[in-house]
Amino acid sequence: AQSVTQLGSHVSVSEGALVLLRCNYSSSVPPYLFWYVQYPNQGLQLLLKYTSAATLVKGINGFEAEFKKSETSFHLTKPSAHMSDAAEYFCAVNTGNQFYFGTGTSLTVIP
Amino acid sequence: DGGITQSPKYLFRKEGQNVTLSCEQNLNHDAMYWYRQDPGQGLRLIYYSQIVNDFQKGDIAEGYSVSREKKESFPLTVTSAQKNPTAFYLCASSIIGDRYEQYFGPGTRLTVT
Repeated sequence: AQSVTQLGSHVSVSEGALVLLRCNYSSSVPPYLFWYVQYPNQGLQLLLKYTSAATLVKGINGFEAEFKKSETSFHLTKPSAHMSDAAEYFCAVNTGNQFYFGTGTSLTVIP
Repeated sequence: DGGITQSPKYLFRKEGQNVTLSCEQNLNHDAMYWYRQDPGQGLRLIYYSQIVNDFQKGDIAEGYSVSREKKESFPLTVTSAQKNPTAFYLCASSIIGDRYEQYFGPGTRLTVT
């Protein structure tokens, strides 16, 4: 079955530090992968997506993610955390019939 | 502006009452979805629809019902059979195809007492 796994339900970083949120997927074929951000009591907003073009994908708010087939990973990074990055982040995969979401990673940014 | 609207933002009901959550999109998307989100948990799929007058059960369809009479609308009814209806409900839509993302509405927080 298609699934995504997010390691670490809670991540804390200092303001200005590197943000790394991990996502691994299980699949025998390259899926289409997405990262979403959710602020409290709001819907999900697309950060970036991988659709078989460049393996390094740049998104909004300075985030980027690298698709690594050999590691079945699609980790999300940002060089320097900002207070406004504090939110819940979800990795998702689209198989064509359904979307599968990870359980989410809550990012806390410490001033 | 194109997007998805959900109303109301907050909804309160007494136990034993059915309640219908609204979801409307003007993105011309064929597929629409309903998810449930509980504190500290991810999204769980309730129902989805890829065409008018057709829909499929997701992972947690028991106690819920939907209709898709128009392309733009996909209302969700939470029935009295749903044992734990208090949750945050998200509606989404997408173009059909594996390379396309979902667009989400702002959500409805349902509280049943």
